[in-house]
Amino acid sequence: KAGVTQTPRYLIKTRGQQVTLSCSPISGHRSVSWYQQTPGQGLQFLFEYFSETQRNKGNFPGRFSGRQFSNSRSEMNVSTLELGDSALYLCASSPTVPGSYEQYFGPGTRLTVT
Amino acid sequence: AQSVAQPEDQVNVAEGNPLTVKCTYSVSGNPYLFWYVQYPNRGLQFLLKYITGDNLVKGSYGFEAEFNKSQTSFHLKKPSALVSDSALYFCAVRSDTGGGNKLTFGTGTQLKVEL
Repeated sequence: KAGVTQTPRYLIKTRGQQVTLSCSPISGHRSVSWYQQTPGQGLQFLFEYFSETQRNKGNFPGRFSGRQFSNSRSEMNVSTLELGDSALYLCASSPTVPGSYEQYFGPGTRLTVT
Repeated sequence: AQSVAQPEDQVNVAEGNPLTVKCTYSVSGNPYLFWYVQYPNRGLQFLLKYITGDNLVKGSYGFEAEFNKSQTSFHLKKPSALVSDSALYFCAVRSDTGGGNKLTFGTGTQLKVEL
């Protein structure tokens, strides 16, 4: 099976702009989660989508939003970018088989805000 | 609330020697515990998990971890380290109560295996 794919891999944006990141989960996985990784804050949970519904949300401002499509692909959007939004954004998908709670991560999108 | 502590920022070990990377957790309900590894400029790679059952779980690349409920620990171990094991290791936890797949990660431990 193909792994989790994320596009684009690298992105440079200017403060105040908005950005959309895309994630395609492993085939058959219906749960998609997003995480932000920075040197200062480490790995932080953004949100999780399951069957097109947001199931969990982390402690991030409303500028961070996401959605999931009927084919389980997910996008996250960050509006009004700030310098502190520079990070590696990781998407992870998870199977819905009971007992299989591990998440499989994509390579990430490296966002740089200047 | 759930949390994970990885008390060592870096662990150095000689190739061929056993390695241990420490992790303690706090969670309401029963814990689901995971170890992930991250190589430079890559995403996280799943190593192993504890959901229920045997306290010693085996995973990829010869790694294993021991779940200790009384000490709320889930230390990662390998009997014989390889230089190629050098990477950043993350411990993560989620609770079995409430829905969803929210993982809480530790701050990571840089493992350096030297010849």
